[in-house]
Amino acid sequence: AQTVTQSQPEMSVQEAETVTLSCTYDTSESDYYLFWYKQPPSRQMILVIRQEAYKQQNATENRFSVNFQKAAKSFSLKISDSQLGDAAMYFCAYRSPNRDDKIIFGKGTRLHILP
Amino acid sequence: NAGVTQTPKFRILKIGQSMTLQCTQDMNHNYMYWYRQDPGMGLKLIYYSVGAGITDKGEVPNGYNVSRSTTEDFPLRLELAAPSQTSVYFCASSSTVTNQPQHFGDGTRLSIL
Repeated sequence: AQTVTQSQPEMSVQEAETVTLSCTYDTSESDYYLFWYKQPPSRQMILVIRQEAYKQQNATENRFSVNFQKAAKSFSLKISDSQLGDAAMYFCAYRSPNRDDKIIFGKGTRLHILP
Repeated sequence: NAGVTQTPKFRILKIGQSMTLQCTQDMNHNYMYWYRQDPGMGLKLIYYSVGAGITDKGEVPNGYNVSRSTTEDFPLRLELAAPSQTSVYFCASSSTVTNQPQHFGDGTRLSIL
């Protein structure tokens, strides 16, 4: 069964600095999909970025980018120029190419932004 | 676009009462899910459904029931509410296209006193 591990329960970063949140996963599948979600204090779950495993190029969305290392089964999220509004819980998620498989979430990393 | 709509947003129940959390989506998604999130914790899957008439248990199904009579609706029923069920409940849906993410509702904050 697939697993997703976020080894950093909490992190802090100074405003305007760069921070990287780690995520590793375990799977025997060769094709799959990875996602990062942001959950601010409002509790909404907001999709930040997605990555298809068959794509070698790392996904980017404005200040958010990933470092996807398929062989290492690693999918870290980099936030550049951190802003106060980035303070949130961040969840890494894995989706199998098998349609009926559940999406697997990590336990989350709480990110604090220091002014 | 409404997306995934959950009602109510907040509710206080007394121990032993029952209630139904409503969830509806307008994206014609086959897959729907119920999660609970305890304070400061991650998501735990309660039940999920891959289509109308089909439901299956997740990690923490005890004390809950679901039904899926239509593609749009996936209500979660709490029978005999207990303090341990105090949590925030999220409904989510996703399409059969596997490169697509889940879409979440805004959550229902439930307190059992």
